[in-house]
Amino acid sequence: DTAVSQTPKYLVTQMGNDKSIKCEQNLGHDTMYWYKQDSKKFLKIMFSYNNKELIINETVPNRFSPKSPDKAHLNLHINSLELGDSAVYFCASSRQDQNIQYFGAGTRLSVL
Amino acid sequence: DQQVKQNSPSLSVQEGRISILNCDYTNSMFDYFLWYKKYPAEGPTFLISISSIKDKNEDGRFTVFLNKSAKHLSLHIVPSQPGDSAVYFCAANTGGFKTIFGAGTRLFVKA
Repeated sequence: DTAVSQTPKYLVTQMGNDKSIKCEQNLGHDTMYWYKQDSKKFLKIMFSYNNKELIINETVPNRFSPKSPDKAHLNLHINSLELGDSAVYFCASSRQDQNIQYFGAGTRLSVL
Repeated sequence: DQQVKQNSPSLSVQEGRISILNCDYTNSMFDYFLWYKKYPAEGPTFLISISSIKDKNEDGRFTVFLNKSAKHLSLHIVPSQPGDSAVYFCAANTGGFKTIFGAGTRLFVKA
């Protein structure tokens, strides 16, 4: 029973397209995150939601829009995909009173 | 400006010996540090953590040491096992929701 699940696992698409990545957690956590792992392997925070409210919004292009319909879900929509968006995107969740995060398996996005 | 640095991209160790993974940070406001382990095609999983009020935390074969004056922490794995082969991420937090990760160190444990 997967705690944090992301779909799809792989996403190959053309430049200019719009795509979404979905994330769901069944841990009852209040806080969810999106990270980007680029070619240099750093895990960089993009967004965080706490109880469906946006609390972290790093310097991410406006083409990226997170949506949290409820506490268990945090989706990431990307408009007008660019080559530089190719990366692995990880979703994570945590209790709001804890620093430990639980990660999904990642979505490898390849923009051609 | 990378606030958490893992300067060794990879480390190779013989099974049964000690593995020492190092991490340096620049932000003196960090007060909680974590290590995550990542296998290929999986997400990072939490391994061990330490609060800034401590200098050592131990959990089985894993020990994390924190040297605040040097802004340095290390993860010791004793004895190392082939199943420990993975990428290890150092991470730091100022007590809020934002956690800063290093680039990771790939550990190879040879049988």
